[in-house]
Amino acid sequence: GENVEQHPSTLSVQEGDSAVIKCTYSDSASNYFPWYKQELGKGPQLIIDIRSNVGEKKDQRIAVTLNKTAKHFSLHITETQPEDSAVYFCAASIGFGNEKLTFGTGTRLTIIP
Amino acid sequence: DAGVIQSPRHEVTEMGQEVTLRCKPISGHDYLFWYRQTMMRGLELLIYFNNNVPIDDSGMPEDRFSAKMPNASFSTLKIQPSEPRDSAVYFCASSLNLLSSYEQYFGPGTRLTVT
Repeated sequence: GENVEQHPSTLSVQEGDSAVIKCTYSDSASNYFPWYKQELGKGPQLIIDIRSNVGEKKDQRIAVTLNKTAKHFSLHITETQPEDSAVYFCAASIGFGNEKLTFGTGTRLTIIP
Repeated sequence: DAGVIQSPRHEVTEMGQEVTLRCKPISGHDYLFWYRQTMMRGLELLIYFNNNVPIDDSGMPEDRFSAKMPNASFSTLKIQPSEPRDSAVYFCASSLNLLSSYEQYFGPGTRLTVT
């Protein structure tokens, strides 16, 4: 089955700087790659996603890039703010995203004021 | 909409007892997922349903775990008998089958502690 690896496990950045989280996946058939943000005591929430026919997608301060050849994708957060502090999960799906998602192990991002 | 509703939010039980976790998905959503989150294993999919029918239960760890979805607005995850290693946060999520969006909406979770 699919295996998703995520790095780093923890990341601390100064407020205003950029943060980058990277994930690799094993199954070349995967075609949907979402990123979820989990705040303390809450369930994960989708923040951005990308499909295999797109190389990059942006939404304000958040961007995701996908390299299908290398089987890796990354989350970029620019101009970080204290409210960006949370745990971020990448995921991959072979089918549509309505179906089975395999999650990475998570990155705890801390924004230092 | 109130979002995905899970109950109870916290459950403490003794080893060997039966535990039932409940989930009400967002109205109109046709997919429902049960996940388990632990520090050691991260976020794992246990089972998911489409239109109340179980599609993939390969993540269910043992026969002690069972899940049902008797109708579109209710699902249960049951553990019988419970063991200390079942201690985790259990999430329910739902989604709508739209080609334009595959977002899964997670509930707040049930924190289960088995002593």
